[in-house]
Amino acid sequence: SYVLTQPPSVSVAPGQTARISCGGDNIGSKSVHWYQQKPGQAPLLVFFDDYVRPSGIPERFSGSNSGNTATMTISRVEVGDEADYYCQVWESTSDHPGVIFGGGTKLTVL
Amino acid sequence: EVQLVESGGALVQPGGSLRLSCAASGFTFSNYWMHWVRQAPGMGLVWVARIQSDGGATSYAGSVVGRFTISRDNAKNTLFLEMNSLSAEDTAIYYCARESSGWNLRRGYYYYMDVWGKGTTVSVSS
Repeated sequence: SYVLTQPPSVSVAPGQTARISCGGDNIGSKSVHWYQQKPGQAPLLVFFDDYVRPSGIPERFSGSNSGNTATMTISRVEVGDEADYYCQVWESTSDHPGVIFGGGTKLTVL
Repeated sequence: EVQLVESGGALVQPGGSLRLSCAASGFTFSNYWMHWVRQAPGMGLVWVARIQSDGGATSYAGSVVGRFTISRDNAKNTLFLEMNSLSAEDTAIYYCARESSGWNLRRGYYYYMDVWGKGTTVSVSS
């Protein structure tokens, strides 16, 4: 089955840029979606189709996807950005087609 | 306001059964495919099941096939998850989520979850 690989953790100082990767075999051929989950809260959609931000998501958040890696970039990181971030794709070729999530990345703002 | 509210979570013994519900409001429930996603304590998100807008088609993660059944009542704007033969590995927060979709010229259709409930907790223990 298709596997999405994320680094377990990323640390960044306030005001700096955070980059969270999501690796998968030829992931550039798939649309990647990203979710933010703060402690004790439900996930929140941050991007769909690689880089499209729903209303309410700051422009500081951007996304890209090419080759074997999709990347979420957060510019001018704020303390409030501290959360777990998950990438997601739809896998249609396996015996059990469905939603695939990455393992998640904990963003720590130092 | 678009909202999903889960209920039905409980402490249940291994081998037991449970039925979760998800009440939808603020949107036309019958127009949307829906999902269940779970999260074990301290772990990541894991997709569980999906159901077509009219209930006609369903799909499941391999780990729950034959044990879990997703269903819906569009007249009552409610999504369900029937869980049988529960084990400790099923202990998790269970979220319901609304699916939205789009079309990418290079890649075709894509599917993502744009609205999530706050979750309901299922604990399986003796």
